[in-house]
Amino acid sequence: GAVVSQHPSRVICKSGTSVKIECRSLDFQATTMFWYRQFPKQSLMLMATSNEGSKATYEQGVEKDKFLINHASLTLSTLTVTSAHPEDSSFYICSARTGREYETQYFGPGTRLLVL
Amino acid sequence: GQNIDQPTEMTATEGAIVQINCTYQTSGFNGLFWYQQHAGEAPTFLSYNVLDGLEEKGRFSSFLSRSKGYSYLLLKELQMKDSASYLCAVSNSNYQLIWGAGTKLIIKP
Repeated sequence: GAVVSQHPSRVICKSGTSVKIECRSLDFQATTMFWYRQFPKQSLMLMATSNEGSKATYEQGVEKDKFLINHASLTLSTLTVTSAHPEDSSFYICSARTGREYETQYFGPGTRLLVL
Repeated sequence: GQNIDQPTEMTATEGAIVQINCTYQTSGFNGLFWYQQHAGEAPTFLSYNVLDGLEEKGRFSSFLSRSKGYSYLLLKELQMKDSASYLCAVSNSNYQLIWGAGTKLIIKP
């Protein structure tokens, strides 16, 4: 159990365009989902925490108008990178957790974004 | 501040045993997680410790000492496929995960 999917797995886009990444919990209800970014050879950096039906909580330094997060259902959260630039190129990973705060986070397979 | 410390890189031999240490200072403690991450892939869950002691799960074991702010991940009978980064993460008083930078484990034949 505890499977999280992410789509697309890889995306290449032109600078200035927007990219949407979907994160789905396939076999459990994810009250809370997390979005991370990881640059090569660096650790995970939490971007934001989203709870179903409410606004996402962004970490310091993350622009909420640039990284739009929607968590409309208990199984789906989306991250939209608006007006993407080459410096946004990274590995974006989502994770999901049930409503119980002590529960483990399960990760999606990640989305590799390359902005040209 | 809050921080997690773990070695940047370790090298071990196939078939041997390796111990990856993690020390932490966080605002509160609600458990410690170990994740494995292969290059270019997302992390996968290995273990969770919230009470002191050793948790064994096959070839992998994880130990926790809350009084010392210390944990280790023990990998036995190392296989080439164990070459990966191992991430230590602590859940603080707000149940927020604080992540270490990861330990890159290199297995040599």
